[in-house]
Amino acid sequence: RKEVEQDPGPFNVPEGATVAFNCTYSNSASQSFFWYRQDCRKEPKLLMSVYSSGNEDGRFTAQLNRASQYISLLIRDSKLSDSATYLCVVNKGSGYALNFGKGTSLLVTP
Amino acid sequence: DVKVTQSSRYLVKRTGEKVFLECVQDMDHENMFWYRQDPGLGLRLIYFSYDVKMKEKGDIPEGYSVSREKKERFSLILESASTNQTSMYLCASSLEETARGGDTQYFGPGTRLTVL
Repeated sequence: RKEVEQDPGPFNVPEGATVAFNCTYSNSASQSFFWYRQDCRKEPKLLMSVYSSGNEDGRFTAQLNRASQYISLLIRDSKLSDSATYLCVVNKGSGYALNFGKGTSLLVTP
Repeated sequence: DVKVTQSSRYLVKRTGEKVFLECVQDMDHENMFWYRQDPGLGLRLIYFSYDVKMKEKGDIPEGYSVSREKKERFSLILESASTNQTSMYLCASSLEETARGGDTQYFGPGTRLTVL
């Protein structure tokens, strides 16, 4: 089983739509969880950390289910500028290294 | 704002050459990382360092070495470049693990290396 698995997409959605991405991870010892965003030909940037209680940042909501080893990201009222690749990221369980998923591609269309 | 810089955006080298990729961060971060990113394979960790002169192998260290002589600088070395090392190389840094925010990594802009 891969360390972090994501549906690669692409997800094509119209502006204003709600879209959800899911991710599963294999290491039950992992303690830190993130969603990063990567624009075409750019470096990944932190979108948000994911906490056990779930957290929200504007139009973005992240959820963590430790029992199922599952992370989700919900984007409401999609904007054209949300078009990017979203990377699910989980720490390796010890130390400082992270495992990156291969990313889910989102295209928001007018 | 955290700033991570990489010495080159684009680099073209020949097979067998020794290649140095430099990364500098200005936020006094303890941890630094080197990744490569390839289509369909995502980001893969090559090496990381959690302190000066300390290094740890990542998932794909073969064919690479690293050097960390100063806290702000982490170098990736390709001892004898090969065509299968053509890739985008990304450097990142992070603070020591903290209770909140964990080990958020900040990335440099990347170096696109082509080995002919």
